Amino acid sequence: AQTVTQSQPEMSVQEAETVTLSCTYDTSESDYYLFWYKQPPSRQMILVIRQEAYKQQNATENRFSVNFQKAAKSFSLKISDSQLGDAAMYFCAFISPGGGADGLTFGKGTHLIIQP
Amino acid sequence: DAMVIQNPRYQVTQFGKPVTLSCSQTLNHNVMYWYQQKSSQAPKLLFHYYDKDFNNEADTPDNFQSRRPNTSFCFLDIRSPGLGDAAMYLCATSRDGTGLGNTEAFFGQGTRLTVV
Repeated sequence: AQTVTQSQPEMSVQEAETVTLSCTYDTSESDYYLFWYKQPPSRQMILVIRQEAYKQQNATENRFSVNFQKAAKSFSLKISDSQLGDAAMYFCAFISPGGGADGLTFGKGTHLIIQP
Repeated sequence: DAMVIQNPRYQVTQFGKPVTLSCSQTLNHNVMYWYQQKSSQAPKLLFHYYDKDFNNEADTPDNFQSRRPNTSFCFLDIRSPGLGDAAMYLCATSRDGTGLGNTEAFFGQGTRLTVV
């Protein structure tokens, strides 16, 4: 079974600064997908960024980028130029290539606070 | 436009009184998931449907059942809610199959269940 660990229950950053959220995972599989989901106070989970394990290039989506270290089983999220609207719970998630068989395995989440 | 819709957003039920939560999707996705998310915790997969095939997680209590009468709709039935079942219930869909685009999950806004 896969496990996902987010070691930072809460992080705080000043508006316009950069913050990095940590995520590690454990799996015996060589191919899989990793995601960061954002859950704002309204509670709808929104996909932020995704990464395929067999791609070495780190995914980037505007101000959001990841540092994917496959050997270390690490998948951190960097948010540049933090904005007030970035305040939310962030969940790191893992899924096997088959997808439907297991669903997403989530970490416990990191509560991100943006200081104005 | 909302693609995964959960009703109601908030549900209050009495201890032991059966309750049904509903989820509908306009994405025509094969897979529909139900997750339970307790306060400040990661979402936990209860079960999922791959088309009409029902897949129950091993540790999902028998108190929780699900129905999927067609592609668009999926229901979560809690036969005898206990105080410990108070949580946010999240419905999600994915296309499934192999490939990153098929494993991305789309979430509804959730139903917050209160048991009194």
